[in-house]
Amino acid sequence: NAGVMQNPRHLVRRRGQEARLRCSPMKGHSHVYWYRQLPEEGLKFMVYLQKENIIDESGMPKERFSAEFPKEGPSILRIQQVVRGDSAAYFCASSPSRGDGYTFGSGTRLTVV
Amino acid sequence: GNSVTQMEGPVTLSEEAFLTINCTYTATGYPSLFWYVQYPGEGLQLLLKATKADDKGSNKGFEATYRKETTSFHLEKGSVQVSDSAVYFCALASNFGNEKLTFGTGTRLTIIP
Repeated sequence: NAGVMQNPRHLVRRRGQEARLRCSPMKGHSHVYWYRQLPEEGLKFMVYLQKENIIDESGMPKERFSAEFPKEGPSILRIQQVVRGDSAAYFCASSPSRGDGYTFGSGTRLTVV
Repeated sequence: GNSVTQMEGPVTLSEEAFLTINCTYTATGYPSLFWYVQYPGEGLQLLLKATKADDKGSNKGFEATYRKETTSFHLEKGSVQVSDSAVYFCALASNFGNEKLTFGTGTRLTIIP
């Protein structure tokens, strides 16, 4: 049973480009969470999704960031018109049901140049 | 709001030394408390947890006790090994049906032979 799979592991984008980060949850997990880790900081919650629904997006920046978890396929975190301040490690976690323990992926390290 | 404060790093110890990493929290209600570990290049792994006051979480020789009176959840290990070198994160989750984890900034631990 593969763990939470995130890709790419490393992503480099120029300012103004779009970044797409993908997360495939563990088999049987229908709840997905995205966290961001800025350099020298702890992880900060961004968004919580279930299949086709955004449950809590209170940690998402108001502009340029969006997330989805379609019925089929991975969850996608999309960052439009990236800026240098978006450079961070983005972690995805999944759980089988609300309130159960998480399993984290290995993260995507985004660098904006 | 919820917050977690943990011991600043980095921490360097010799093999077989005693380890303490301090963690204190601020939260409303009765949160669950966690320690996560992140090995180089990997995602976060749950190390141990405690869901109510005076509970002791333990795993792989690590222990932490949920102290409501001091709002603390310090991580301890009696004899560390080189393989324990990693970054350790203290975190809490509110028990109001809110699945967001609030993390501390992490403590980098290096064990030298």
